[in-house]
Amino acid sequence: DTGVSQDPRHKITKRGQNVTFRCDPISEHNRLYWYRQTLGQGPEFLTYFQNEAQLEKSRLLSDRFSAERPKGSFSTLEIQRTEQGDSAMYLCASSLWDPGNTIYFGEGSWLTVV
Amino acid sequence: GENVEQHPSTLSVQEGDSAVIKCTYSDSASNYFPWYKQELGKGPQLIIDIRSNVGEKKDQRIAVTLNKTAKHFSLHITETQPEDSAVYFCADRDNYGQNFVFGPGTRLSVLP
Repeated sequence: DTGVSQDPRHKITKRGQNVTFRCDPISEHNRLYWYRQTLGQGPEFLTYFQNEAQLEKSRLLSDRFSAERPKGSFSTLEIQRTEQGDSAMYLCASSLWDPGNTIYFGEGSWLTVV
Repeated sequence: GENVEQHPSTLSVQEGDSAVIKCTYSDSASNYFPWYKQELGKGPQLIIDIRSNVGEKKDQRIAVTLNKTAKHFSLHITETQPEDSAVYFCADRDNYGQNFVFGPGTRLSVLP
């Protein structure tokens, strides 16, 4: 069994470019979460999916951010027209949905906008 | 919305000593409280969790205690080792029970 897999692990991009991150959850986990983490802070919730449905989006998720989970398996997070303030680690997590669900994180995707 | 506070922000202990990190939460309906350990450059790793129907849970050198009345829960690490050095995050579920709100983290340094 593999854990949550994220790709790429590191991305350096110029301001204004678009970037896309991919997350492969633990197999059979029907919930998938995206979090953002900046240095010295805890993870901040961005959005989550149950199967292919995006059920909640944080106010942190501006119009330049879009997430998809087309077949209820892997997910992508795209950031358009990147800004320096987007520099952070983007964490994906997955879980089974039950009243006591535990979420398991991937290793994260580091984004540096220069 | 839900708010999770965590103290201390940094903690240094001598190898072999115990370490305690405390978190407080605001939503009295919260019922699940995980703790994560994050090493540099890696994602958070679940180390222990507790549900609201128990007051304490232990796993080898790690334990978590929960006081629902006071709305706080604590991580206890005994016989600390250098490999325990990391940032530790507490979390609880948000008001709607759909996702997790994390504390700001505690950087633990275990000095040899």
